[in-house]
Amino acid sequence: AQRVTQPEKLLSVFKGAPVELKCNYSYSGSPELFWYVQYSRQRLQLLLRHISRESIKGFTADLNKGETSFHLKKPFAQEEDSAMYYCASLTGNQFYFGTGTSLTVIP
Amino acid sequence: DTGVSQDPRHKITKRGQNVTFRCDPISEHNRLYWYRQTLGQGPEFLTYFQNEAQLEKSRLLSDRFSAERPKGSFSTLEIQRTEQGDSAMYLCASSPRLAGAYNEQFFGPGTRLTVL
Repeated sequence: AQRVTQPEKLLSVFKGAPVELKCNYSYSGSPELFWYVQYSRQRLQLLLRHISRESIKGFTADLNKGETSFHLKKPFAQEEDSAMYYCASLTGNQFYFGTGTSLTVIP
Repeated sequence: DTGVSQDPRHKITKRGQNVTFRCDPISEHNRLYWYRQTLGQGPEFLTYFQNEAQLEKSRLLSDRFSAERPKGSFSTLEIQRTEQGDSAMYLCASSPRLAGAYNEQFFGPGTRLTVL
């Protein structure tokens, strides 16, 4: 079965420090992978998707098929990055979400 | 507000009662998804519609759950004979008809169900 694993439930970093949120997936094929973010009292929203190879709000994520990982990175964390982050994969018509990582950026 | 809307936002019911939730997707979005989210977990896929056709349904979904999208616009999710384990946030998301792999989902605010 499809699985998306986010090993860290909570992550705290200081403002200006680099941040990496881990995501591993289990799928032998080529899934589409996404990062979704939920800011306090807001809806879940798409942050970025691997197929676009884009950088959003300074975040990037690289698909590593060898390690089956899709870690989210930002070189300098900002306070407004504090949020809940979910990694998700799409296979066929089903999305599979990880359990999420709550990121706190300490001023 | 042209985003996905859900109604009601909160529902408290007694065990054994039936409940129905509604989702209005973004206009012109032909794809619609329902998810359930419990505390400390990510959204769990329940079912997927393309227009009015229900194309995917989670194998984990009890037969007490049923969803419809009769005209390919709004959708309803009904839970019959609710159980305390059904207490969760129920999320709806819609996605536009776009070629390629641009499968961005737009989420609604959710309906929080509490079963007493």
